[in-house]
Amino acid sequence: DQQVKQNSPSLSVQEGRISILNCDYTNSMFDYFLWYKKYPAEGPTFLISISSIKDKNEDGRFTVFLNKSAKHLSLHIVPSQPGDSAVYFCAASVLRYGNKLVFGAGTILRVKS
Amino acid sequence: NAGVTQTPKFQVLKTGQSMTLQCAQDMNHEYMSWYRQDPGMGLRLIHYSVGAGITDQGEVPNGYNVSRSTTEDFPLRLLSAAPSQTSVYFCASSYRAGGSSYEQYFGPGTRLTVT
Repeated sequence: DQQVKQNSPSLSVQEGRISILNCDYTNSMFDYFLWYKKYPAEGPTFLISISSIKDKNEDGRFTVFLNKSAKHLSLHIVPSQPGDSAVYFCAASVLRYGNKLVFGAGTILRVKS
Repeated sequence: NAGVTQTPKFQVLKTGQSMTLQCAQDMNHEYMSWYRQDPGMGLRLIHYSVGAGITDQGEVPNGYNVSRSTTEDFPLRLLSAAPSQTSVYFCASSYRAGGSSYEQYFGPGTRLTVT
């Protein structure tokens, strides 16, 4: 039973346009959400996070939106760059239970130049 | 800072062999964890530790042992390798939840093949 789902295995976007990666979750106890980026043969690297008390968090070109009623979050990358081509993982946790992360299966983003 | 380091990078084992995957961090993080990543799936938590001497099971702990004798090191032991343990293994560390930062820092991974 997947608690965190990334339903799009891949996404292709033109350089300079917006990339939108989506993530759905089923566990209403999740109160902290993160996005990680992963290049081949490397470990995931942290991108951006959001607490359940917020509905938006921005960091440069990256913005994460959280819709608690829909149990949905999305990552917006504007403008997309070829170096953004990677696998993006959504992850969630229940902070009072510790830092245990539950990951989605990932979305492969390809940014075409 | 080296961050999170893992050794070896690659390993091939025969069924029934044992081995230890090493993980170390130099950021003085209390929390450390092990994940495995299989094709088409996200990372799944194997074991985690909230501090030296304290460990607990994650989502997929069977076939693996851990111990945490120091803050810096968190080795993962496979007692009797099985083909189902063929995977890429990632170690991660972070400050403990409740601090100012919850994001986990990951090592580069160990690719393990069990034949």
